[in-house]
Amino acid sequence: DVKVTQSSRYLVKRTGEKVFLECVQDMDHENMFWYRQDPGLGLRLIYFSYDVKMKEKGDIPEGYSVSREKKERFSLILESASTNQTSMYLCASSPSRNEQFFGPGTRLTVL
Amino acid sequence: GENVEQHPSTLSVQEGDSAVIKCTYSDSASNYFPWYKQELGKRPQLIIDIRSNVGEKKDQRIAVTLNKTAKHFSLHITETQPEDSAVYFCAASKSNYQLIWGAGTKLIIKP
Repeated sequence: DVKVTQSSRYLVKRTGEKVFLECVQDMDHENMFWYRQDPGLGLRLIYFSYDVKMKEKGDIPEGYSVSREKKERFSLILESASTNQTSMYLCASSPSRNEQFFGPGTRLTVL
Repeated sequence: GENVEQHPSTLSVQEGDSAVIKCTYSDSASNYFPWYKQELGKRPQLIIDIRSNVGEKKDQRIAVTLNKTAKHFSLHITETQPEDSAVYFCAASKSNYQLIWGAGTKLIIKP
């Protein structure tokens, strides 16, 4: 079974803090994705990576950055958290042109 | 850019009846159309997908139909059961990496 894990299920941070969300997959997938999920807006792509050290902006990259130093790990960074970044963050991985496997999600609250 | 519209946003059906969720896409180059199910508090999971070289695909009680001319595709669930209650997302893709997602449909099965 594919396993995608995320570093935290729930996270509470203060405005202006730097926030790291980590995602790890164990199936040697080339592609990894970060989404945020908000009610009524579906899944919005923040960034994705199709190889180590490669990244591409999704639909809503502003305020976020990513890092992929190893194939199995994809990190999402909020340089200076703001209240409008309060959301559910979902990581996913896929073996190119195929099913995306999601992690359990991190519910981030920025106070 | 590519856009996927999904309707309805909420669908309530009697247990045992059929449910139909519809999506339209804007980019005629899209050629892969998956459907994901997200139960409350859980991660999205692929339930069925279709590629543009076929018009219909079935898997037990669920089926997906694709009309390339009209650029729309639909999810059909027959003999609905309580465990079908969830949020369903459609998506479209023309690349190896990125899925463009619909906003989701909350399906409620009434006993």
